[in-house]
Amino acid sequence: GDSVTQMEGPVTLSEEAFLTINCTYTATGYPSLFWYVQYPGEGLQLLLKATKADDKGSNKGFEATYRKETTSFHLEKGSVQVSDSAVYFCALTTPNFGNEKLTFGTGTRLTIIP
Amino acid sequence: GAVVSQHPSWVICKSGTSVKIECRSLDFQATTMFWYRQFPKQSLMLMATSNEGSKATYEQGVEKDKFLINHASLTLSTLTVTSAHPEDSSFYICSAAPGLAAANEQFFGPGTRLTVL
Repeated sequence: GDSVTQMEGPVTLSEEAFLTINCTYTATGYPSLFWYVQYPGEGLQLLLKATKADDKGSNKGFEATYRKETTSFHLEKGSVQVSDSAVYFCALTTPNFGNEKLTFGTGTRLTIIP
Repeated sequence: GAVVSQHPSWVICKSGTSVKIECRSLDFQATTMFWYRQFPKQSLMLMATSNEGSKATYEQGVEKDKFLINHASLTLSTLTVTSAHPEDSSFYICSAAPGLAAANEQFFGPGTRLTVL
């Protein structure tokens, strides 16, 4: 079945540091890939997505590139801020005639120190 | 953006009792709602998908008589954990979609932490 593996946290960085959160996947067919973010006390929010190989999703300074050859979708940001502290989930769906389901990774807790 | 609320945010109950968790879409009509369960340090696992006015579709291994889902209106779905036991303790998360189950249209609630003593 489909699965998503992401780096375990917690990850602690200083403000303005470079961020990478690794995500690799296993899927049948051609998945769409997502990063969700969960801020304290809130629900998961879609951060960015990519639907085909070599696509780059971006939002709020975060980027991730769909790498089919390495089955990866690593999340990066060049300069993190304290407000980026949250839990980040990598996820995928595979085509299923409008009945797509999200398969999530375990989440990575990120803490940014001023 | 679209907002989904859950109530309660946390609940503690005795073993053998039933607990109801509500999921509401506050500013849109949710054709489809999803219920997930999350164990500590594990990923969200889809339990069931419900469409307004019809029976929920449960994932393999999820007991439908144990986890009763009702999606009676376009803004409300409920999950009832019947005869709860300590192994049912978990974090339950709902999401709602305004249309068909397109993943990028799911809006998530903040979750409900259930502790069964």
